[in-house]
Amino acid sequence: SQKIEQNSEALNIQEGKTATLTCNYTNYSPAYLQWYRQDPGRGPVFLLLIRENEKEKRKERLKVTFDTTLKQSLFHITASQPADSATYLCALGHGSSNTGKLIFGQGTTLQVKP
Amino acid sequence: GAVVSQHPSRVICKSGTSVKIECRSLDFQATTMFWYRQFPKQSLMLMATSNEGSKATYEQGVEKDKFLINHASLTLSTLTVTSAHPEDSSFYICSARGRSGEKLFFGSGTQLSVL
Repeated sequence: SQKIEQNSEALNIQEGKTATLTCNYTNYSPAYLQWYRQDPGRGPVFLLLIRENEKEKRKERLKVTFDTTLKQSLFHITASQPADSATYLCALGHGSSNTGKLIFGQGTTLQVKP
Repeated sequence: GAVVSQHPSRVICKSGTSVKIECRSLDFQATTMFWYRQFPKQSLMLMATSNEGSKATYEQGVEKDKFLINHASLTLSTLTVTSAHPEDSSFYICSARGRSGEKLFFGSGTQLSVL
């Protein structure tokens, strides 16, 4: 069956360092992958989308890579800040990115300490 | 950015009652809306996909008679949990996608507690 794995343990890092979160998947060939941020008791907020033919995407302090051979995506936050503390979800989709549904990983909680 | 409003944010009800949750896209037309359920520290579990004017498509294992979804307009979808029981207690989140959008816009979620 399709499986998406994100580090279940919280990631604790010091302010200013780069946070790297991992999303691995099996039995799936997604056409695209998205990353979302979720704060406690709130709905997720879209951050980045990367397609299967793209290796890397950047947005301000965020960088996402997508390796379809390794079936893995890495999500980096550079110069991390305490305000970056949240749970980060990866989501996989196939078919048209406008119509297809997304399957979410369980998320990794990031804690940035001042 | 696009805004999705979800109400109520929290509801406590007695077992056996029905609860309706509303999801509205405030500044765009949502051709597709999704309903998710989330348990603490777990992933978002897709319950159903609804397209405006048509019947919702439910994921395997989700009872359509238990979770009634209506998507009557391009800006409103509702989820009704019928005859709620304690095991239905969960965080329910809606999301919406416009005609040209790739990303999903999520509501703020509804915490349902059934006593």
